[in-house]
Amino acid sequence: AQSVAQPEDQVNVAEGNPLTVKCTYSVSGNPYLFWYVQYPNRGLQFLLKYITGDNLVKGSYGFEAEFNKSQTSFHLKKPSALVSDSALYFCAVRDPMNSGGYQKVTFGTGTKLQVIP
Amino acid sequence: DTEVTQTPKHLVMGMTNKKSLKCEQHMGHRAMYWYKQKAKKPPELMFVYSYEKLSINESVPSRFSPECPNSSLLNLHLHALQPEDSALYLCASSQGGTHVWTDTQYFGPGTRLTVL
Repeated sequence: AQSVAQPEDQVNVAEGNPLTVKCTYSVSGNPYLFWYVQYPNRGLQFLLKYITGDNLVKGSYGFEAEFNKSQTSFHLKKPSALVSDSALYFCAVRDPMNSGGYQKVTFGTGTKLQVIP
Repeated sequence: DTEVTQTPKHLVMGMTNKKSLKCEQHMGHRAMYWYKQKAKKPPELMFVYSYEKLSINESVPSRFSPECPNSSLLNLHLHALQPEDSALYLCASSQGGTHVWTDTQYFGPGTRLTVL
């Protein structure tokens, strides 16, 4: 079964400092990994995804994520945090070996990012 | 354009009411989804439509009834809901088709449902 873990409920970072939001995954096959951001009372916005190829994926709003197969991780990063980055971040995984159907994406529990001015 | 629209934004209904949520996309996507999200929790998949046919029902109670009238529209009909059904209901769509494993789901803003 596919699963994804976000070990931190909340991450606090000072504005201008680099940020990291952690995600680890468990799948049977090669994972397809996604990051989404959710602002209060809004839907999820797609940030980036890893399918194959370069382990460093660049996405929207200056975010990037590094796929590490040996550590089964897909941490989200940004070199310089903005106050406007404060939101809820979800990591998600799709496992091609998942018998539940290709459309199923499993979301992590979410990490609240607080950027302090 | 990666826009998915949902109406209404907010809905308050009594337990005996019948109401519907509407979702629309004009990206030519052939897969559409309904999710339920409680506060500070991840979205929970409810239904998936692929090429206008229901392909996944995550054992959702029958008081929720999905409908896909055409490839751009997705409805969720609500009847005899319970207070615990109060949540943010999110619609999403994805391209579907050949490259389904690498598909990206794009979400609408959601409908905030309150059941009294």
